[in-house]
Amino acid sequence: GIQVEQSPPDLILQEGANSTLRCNFSDSVNNLQWFHQNPWGQLINLFYIPSGTKQNGRLSATTVATERYSLLYISSSQTTDSGVYFCAVRENGGATNKLIFGTGTLLAVQP
Amino acid sequence: KAGVTQTPRYLIKTRGQQVTLSCSPISGHRSVSWYQQTPGQGLQFLFEYFSETQRNKGNFPGRFSGRQFSNSRSEMNVSTLELGDSALYLCASSLDLLAGGPGNEQFFGPGTRLTVL
Repeated sequence: GIQVEQSPPDLILQEGANSTLRCNFSDSVNNLQWFHQNPWGQLINLFYIPSGTKQNGRLSATTVATERYSLLYISSSQTTDSGVYFCAVRENGGATNKLIFGTGTLLAVQP
Repeated sequence: KAGVTQTPRYLIKTRGQQVTLSCSPISGHRSVSWYQQTPGQGLQFLFEYFSETQRNKGNFPGRFSGRQFSNSRSEMNVSTLELGDSALYLCASSLDLLAGGPGNEQFFGPGTRLTVL
């Protein structure tokens, strides 16, 4: 099955710094989502981005499907950005919405 | 539009008991998926239901089962609970447009945190 790897596994930033999180996947996908898991466990949708670039405020994401990776950019980080960021993909083909998750990046933003 | 809801939010059970978790998808969403999250195994797919039929199943024992009702609400059941079943159980829904595109974006509920003693 498809493998999803995220890097770095952990990241500590000072408030105001910028960061880039990476997601590599081993096969072609037709769905890629970025999530932020809040301290209570809920997965918050950040981007649905199987290809191309999107921006939402201080966050932006780029997926290069042909090279099998996606990047999440966080600019001017705030303490509320702390938490775990997950990348999840859906394989091409098949009638299923099964998502395969990476192991996540744990981000800590210090004041 | 209301989001995905899950009940109960927290549950404590003892080994050997069974448990039923409930998930109500976003109105109009037809696909409901379940995931288990543990510190050791991360987020793992349990199963997916579409139009009251199980469309895909993850690598979990038969103690884990589910169903979907005609209104797209879904339940999952775990029988003969084991300590290792302690986890956060997350439900996700999507419109499910098989051609791809934003209709396949999945939205998650707040989860049910199950503790098995």
